[in-house]
Amino acid sequence: QKEVEQNSGPLSVPEGAIASLNCTYSDRGSQSFFWYRQYSGKSPELIMFIYSNGDKEDGRFTAQLNKASQYVSLLIRDSQPSDSATYLCAVQTGGGNKLTFGTGTQLKVEL
Amino acid sequence: GAGVSQTPSNKVTEKGKYVELRCDPISGHTALYWYRQSLGQGPEFLIYFQGTGAADDSGLPNDRFFAVRPEGSVSTLKIQRTERGDSAVYLCASSLAGSSGELFFGEGSRLTVL
Repeated sequence: QKEVEQNSGPLSVPEGAIASLNCTYSDRGSQSFFWYRQYSGKSPELIMFIYSNGDKEDGRFTAQLNKASQYVSLLIRDSQPSDSATYLCAVQTGGGNKLTFGTGTQLKVEL
Repeated sequence: GAGVSQTPSNKVTEKGKYVELRCDPISGHTALYWYRQSLGQGPEFLIYFQGTGAADDSGLPNDRFFAVRPEGSVSTLKIQRTERGDSAVYLCASSLAGSSGELFFGEGSRLTVL
């Protein structure tokens, strides 16, 4: 079992719809969770982080964490073509000094 | 500088050669990370520096890989006797503190081993 699992996609949504990206992790001791966005040919950039169970909203983005189910998700409301990218879920492991990344989910927002 | 700077952006080498990849982190960031990303995969952790010392090198795949950060700023990743399987994008990231998962990545060094 991989430490951090994501569906590789592609996930296609129409412009204006809600995109839902999911991630599961294996280490129950994980404390911190991150979503990075990576455009094709570019490096990852942080868009959201969440530490506590529940929801955290930032503009059009909402991160959701359920530690009991070892599940974290990212919702993107009013999806735009510029949101088309690969979204990487990352979990802080190893005593808090490194991030373990999933393989990423490719999101395509279609006009 | 404004961001994390990595050189070279592209490196093509032959199997068996030695390569060095350089990373200049954001000024004031004490934590520095090296990751490796293959096509279709997420970044894979290699090594983490806090200041000058390698605090966690558990991700280095074997003893052909070595990294230094002698003055607590610029870091160099060194790969000896390169193999075709070493071909990947090598990403450097920095953060204000090692406990933060808020990493700022450079644009990467694409290594191709022929």
